[in-house]
Amino acid sequence: QKEVEQDPGPLSVPEGAIVSLNCTYSNSAFQYFMWYRQYSRKGPELLMYTYSSGNKEDGRFTAQVDKSSKYISLFIRDSQPSDSATYLCAIRSNDYKLSFGAGTTVTVRA
Amino acid sequence: GAGVSQSPSNKVTEKGKDVELRCDPISGHTALYWYRQSLGQGLEFLIYFQGNSAPDKSGLPSDRFSAERTGGSVSTLTIQRTQQEDSAVYLCASSVGTGGKKLFFGSGTQLSVL
Repeated sequence: QKEVEQDPGPLSVPEGAIVSLNCTYSNSAFQYFMWYRQYSRKGPELLMYTYSSGNKEDGRFTAQVDKSSKYISLFIRDSQPSDSATYLCAIRSNDYKLSFGAGTTVTVRA
Repeated sequence: GAGVSQSPSNKVTEKGKDVELRCDPISGHTALYWYRQSLGQGLEFLIYFQGNSAPDKSGLPSDRFSAERTGGSVSTLTIQRTQQEDSAVYLCASSVGTGGKKLFFGSGTQLSVL
């Protein structure tokens, strides 16, 4: 079993829709939760970083962590074609090593 | 430069040849990572450098893979006797301090082994 599971999609939504992405993890030692966005032929870039359970908002993006269920989510409101990318969850414990999900490819149709 | 720079951006090689991939991290970043990304797979950790400490090589898939970091800055990932299964995008990332909080990635090297 992988440490981090993420449905690779692909996911296609119309412009303006809410995009919902999620990951599950197995190691309860994980404490830090991140979402990275990766455009085609580019490296991933950090979108959201959370430490505790609950919600964190940044503009149109909301990251949600449920440590009891070992489940994390990313919501994108009012999605735009420019949001079309691959979204990767990344999780780590106290050390420096991040475990990444496989990434979900999202297409927002104009 | 402003970001992490990797070269070459694309590399096509023949099975059995050696390849060297280069990474220039952001100036002042002491932590440097190499990851491998295969089609449909997540990022696979390869190696981690932090300052002058011994690197964490636990992710290297075989002894054909090696990496070094000179002067705490530029890093080179070397793959000897390349195999077709080595075909992937090799990503380098750097971060401030001990790393792990916010990684800055380069655009990667797309390696194709024929």
